[in-house]
Formats: sequence, C-alpha cells, structure tokens
Amino acid sequence: GEDVEQSLFLSVREGDSSVINCTYTDSSSTYLYWYKQEPGAGLQLLTYIFSNMDMKQDQRLTVLLNKKDKHLSLRIADTQTGDSAIYFCAVLNQAGTALIFGKGTTLSVSS
Amino acid sequence: DSGVTQTPKHLITATGQRVTLRCSPRSGDLSVYWYQQSLDQGLQFLIQYYNGEERAKGNILERFSAQQFPDLHSELNLSSLELGDSALYFCASSVVPGQNTGELFFGEGSRLTVL
Repeated sequence: GEDVEQSLFLSVREGDSSVINCTYTDSSSTYLYWYKQEPGAGLQLLTYIFSNMDMKQDQRLTVLLNKKDKHLSLRIADTQTGDSAIYFCAVLNQAGTALIFGKGTTLSVSS
Repeated sequence: DSGVTQTPKHLITATGQRVTLRCSPRSGDLSVYWYQQSLDQGLQFLIQYYNGEERAKGNILERFSAQQFPDLHSELNLSSLELGDSALYFCASSVVPGQNTGELFFGEGSRLTVL
C-alpha cells in the first residue's frame, strides 16, 4: 500500500532556511501537497505542486519534486517563529480516493 | 475558519463505551473524510463518504462505523472503546474528489480520551 515518510523533528534558528523532506511510495497523485497544523488546530493546505512540475515557488515557500526518486521537499526561506508548526506531506492514494499523509514534521523555530 | 464544524471538541469516556462524533462539511462540499491522529500512528485515513455513499475505506476498525446523511453531515460512531482509541479525530471535506486541486478542508478535530 501507499506510504509517506517524513522526518519527525526539525529545529532551526529564526532567519535560517528550513527544509522538510518527504518520500512516498506508489501514488496516482496529480497534485502533491504540504499541509500545516498549528497547535490546537486542524490541518490547513500550505501549498501544492502539480505532478508534472519539478519546482514551485510561492513567496517564502519552495517545493521541489523528484518523481524518479519519489521525493518531495518543502523549503521555507527566512523562517520565522510563527512558522513553528507540524508540516505534513500528502499524496493521493492509488485508488485516487483519499489523501495519505506522512506522520508530520514538527518544526521548531528559536529566536 | 475552514467552514468544517466538528462536535464535540473534547470527549472523555470509559473503556467499553460508545461515542458519536459529528461533522458538518463546508457548504457545498459533497465529500466527507474521517481521519484519526495519534502520536504513534500519525494521521490515518479512516473512511470517506461522497453524497451519502461510502466511497473509500482506510484503516477503520470494525468497531467503528460512519455514515453521511441527506443533509451531508456525517457521524463517526466508535464502540467498545479501548484505551488505544484515544486520539484526535478529524473530519475533512472537499467539493468533489479528484476535481480541482483536491484540497481538503479540515475541522478542528474532536479529542477523544478513553480512561
């Protein structure tokens, strides 16, 4: 079945860049997603990339997709304390019916 | 505010009991998804309904069941509760699965504690 793997923790200093990595197994995803979960809240879509793209930039966010290696990454430039949250990588399952999420990467930003 | 409403926000119950979690999707969304979030398992897909019909099943236990009503709200029923069922249960909705970007809109979750 489908599997999505992420490292569990990342700690950076304010102003540094953060890179969160994700690998996935089989997927029929037309889009691949990054969701953000702030403390005590539900998940919210942060950004996504179309599967035929290698890179997408959206202000401080850069998403890189390597389909050959089934690797997705999220880079946050100039990381702020407000970026502290859990970040989830998600892809569509093979049946195309539901999103499968990684376990989430907790990003901790210190000032 | 995502527009998805879940009740109750918190629930404490005992082992062996049964609870019902309720979800109202965003206005106009036909599809509802249930996910379970726990520390060890992460975010696990349980089940999806589309316009009242079950569309996909994930890692849902036989002790759990769900349904989507004609007004599109959904309920997740958890029975014969065990300590390990303690988790945050999320409901999410989308317009139509597979259309547009496929974005899911999540509620704030129902935190279930089984003692």
